Amino acid sequence: SQTIHQWPATLVQPVGSPLSLECTVEGTSNPNLYWYRQAAGRGLQLLFYSVGIGQISSEVPQNLSASRPQDRQFILSSKKLLLSDSGFYLCAWSANGQGQIRGYTFGSGTRLTVV
Amino acid sequence: SQQGEEDPQALSIQEGENATMNCSYKTSINNLQWYRQNSGRGLVHLILIRSNEREKHSGRLRVTLDTSKKSSSLLITASRAADTASYFCATKGGSGGSNYKLTFGKGTLLTVNP
Repeated sequence: SQTIHQWPATLVQPVGSPLSLECTVEGTSNPNLYWYRQAAGRGLQLLFYSVGIGQISSEVPQNLSASRPQDRQFILSSKKLLLSDSGFYLCAWSANGQGQIRGYTFGSGTRLTVV
Repeated sequence: SQQGEEDPQALSIQEGENATMNCSYKTSINNLQWYRQNSGRGLVHLILIRSNEREKHSGRLRVTLDTSKKSSSLLITASRAADTASYFCATKGGSGGSNYKLTFGKGTLLTVNP
């Protein structure tokens, strides 16, 4: 069965510090991968998506970047965090080519607080 | 930008009652999905309805889709306290590069009181 792992669960970082959040998927190959951010009481905002290794599309210009060094690994990074980067970050995957019939599977999320 | 808008923003009912949540969207879609999120957790996919479908059932869930009105509804029958969560609708674009991206609404917070 397919599983998605996202870590850490919570993170408190000072302003100006770097960030690295990691997401890995098991039990499938060539998944579509996504990073979403959810602000308190708000919906989900798509940050990045990837349809293959090294292929990253950015939805919103900001202080963050994403990389996909391996087929089932998706990393969200920042060189210098801002207060506005605080939020709940969610990684998700969907089966490539089956977007018509299946939904997304989400990780358990990372609560990032920038202080 | 957010495509779907759920209504109401918050809903409080008693256990055993039915809960109805609505979602409206703006552009053409390939499918519409509903997700559930317990507080502080990831989202869980509940049900997907394609643009050529009008109604779909899964257990105590019933989803309708009216593409002419660009709206959908999620009905949870015989609600339980464990149904307390936020519910989101999400739309998948109709064509081109947006076809594999989901756009989420802000959600409806459902509270089921025991």
